Amino acid sequence: SYVLTQPPSVSVAPGKTARITCGGNNIGSKSVHWYQQKPGQAPVVVIYYDSDRPSGIPERFSGSNSGNTATLTISRVEAGDEADYYCQVWHSSSDHPLFGGGTKLTVL
Amino acid sequence: EVQLVESGGGLVQPGRSLRLSCAASGFTFDDHAMHWVRQPPGKGLEWVSGISWNSGDIGYADSVKGRFTISRDNAKNSLYLQMNSLRDEDTALYYCVRKDIVTGYYDYWGQGTLVTVSS
Repeated sequence: SYVLTQPPSVSVAPGKTARITCGGNNIGSKSVHWYQQKPGQAPVVVIYYDSDRPSGIPERFSGSNSGNTATLTISRVEAGDEADYYCQVWHSSSDHPLFGGGTKLTVL
Repeated sequence: EVQLVESGGGLVQPGRSLRLSCAASGFTFDDHAMHWVRQPPGKGLEWVSGISWNSGDIGYADSVKGRFTISRDNAKNSLYLQMNSLRDEDTALYYCVRKDIVTGYYDYWGQGTLVTVSS
């Protein structure tokens, strides 16, 4: 079965750039969505279709997807970006959504 | 304003049943597919089930297939999840989620209702 692999944690200093990866077999052929979940809150999409940003999401959030890895990049990281981040794709064979295991972003 | 409000969670013994409801407002409910996504305490997101706008297309995760039934009532702007033969591993916060028509991502989430399965 198809699996999405994320690092459990990423740490970054304020003002620096955080990169969170999502690995999957030929994930570059799929559309990847990224969700941010802060403690006690429901997830919010921050990137859809690999690299598009919904209205209201800062330009500091960007995404890319190629080969076997999709990447969420957060530039000029702020304390408020500290959260869990999940990648998601639609599994083509079953048309079911699949989430990565999540990455906890810690701002040092 | 789009709102999704879940209800029906609680503490239930293994093997028993529970029915979750989701009241939707602020949008045309029967334009959208709706899904349930759950999150065990301290763990990640897991898709549970989804239903198309007209109930013609329904899907379940393997972990709940045969035990859970999703349904909707477009006249009442409501989504449901009937959960039977509950197991300890079904303990989670259950989110009602709207699927965006065009892009397919989950654009609105409820705040969740907690289901605890324990003897």
